[in-house]
Amino acid sequence: KAGVTQTPRYLIKTRGQQVTLSCSPISGHRSVSWYQQTPGQGLQFLFEYFSETQRNKGNFPGRFSGRQFSNSRSEMNVSTLELGDSALYLCASKLNEETQYFGPGTRLLVL
Amino acid sequence: DAKTTQPTSMDCAEGRAANLPCNHSTISGNEYVYWYRQIHSQGPQYIIHGLKNNETNEMASLIITEDRKSSTLILPHATLRDTAVYYCIVRVQDGGSQGNLIFGKGTKLSVKP
Repeated sequence: KAGVTQTPRYLIKTRGQQVTLSCSPISGHRSVSWYQQTPGQGLQFLFEYFSETQRNKGNFPGRFSGRQFSNSRSEMNVSTLELGDSALYLCASKLNEETQYFGPGTRLLVL
Repeated sequence: DAKTTQPTSMDCAEGRAANLPCNHSTISGNEYVYWYRQIHSQGPQYIIHGLKNNETNEMASLIITEDRKSSTLILPHATLRDTAVYYCIVRVQDGGSQGNLIFGKGTKLSVKP
């Protein structure tokens, strides 16, 4: 069974731009969560989607948003990029309420 | 905030067992202990989880104390590829806000030849 996939793997943007990242969960998994990892703050939870609905949300500004499609694929969007948004963005999926499995991440650099 | 405490770093000789401790003194009765690891710049990799009983799989063993206030992850024969940051996390298995993973700083395990 294929794992969680994320695209693109690397991305360079400039301040003020917006970006959309994509995540395809493991087949059959309906929950997708997003995390941000930076050297200063570590791994932090952004939000979780389940059956196309946002179920949980971390403590991030409204510039960070997401959505989930009927096939469980998810996208996250960051608008008006800031230098501090440079990070590794990780997506994780899970079946029911058990173990989350992570993708390889998208590394975003904001210049 | 993370509900676990782990040593910042540990060293282990290749081929020896690596024992990674974790304190979770405020763990609730319905919280599981999960272990993940992250090899440099990759996504975290699930290792093992447990509630009360000791658990073993092809990667590792998890020993949970009887009072559940601490646990130890054991890699029986560490290899250089086991060099990573290991995260111990407690979470409930439900769809609520507590069901998500709250990562601490983890333990940086360095396996040396």
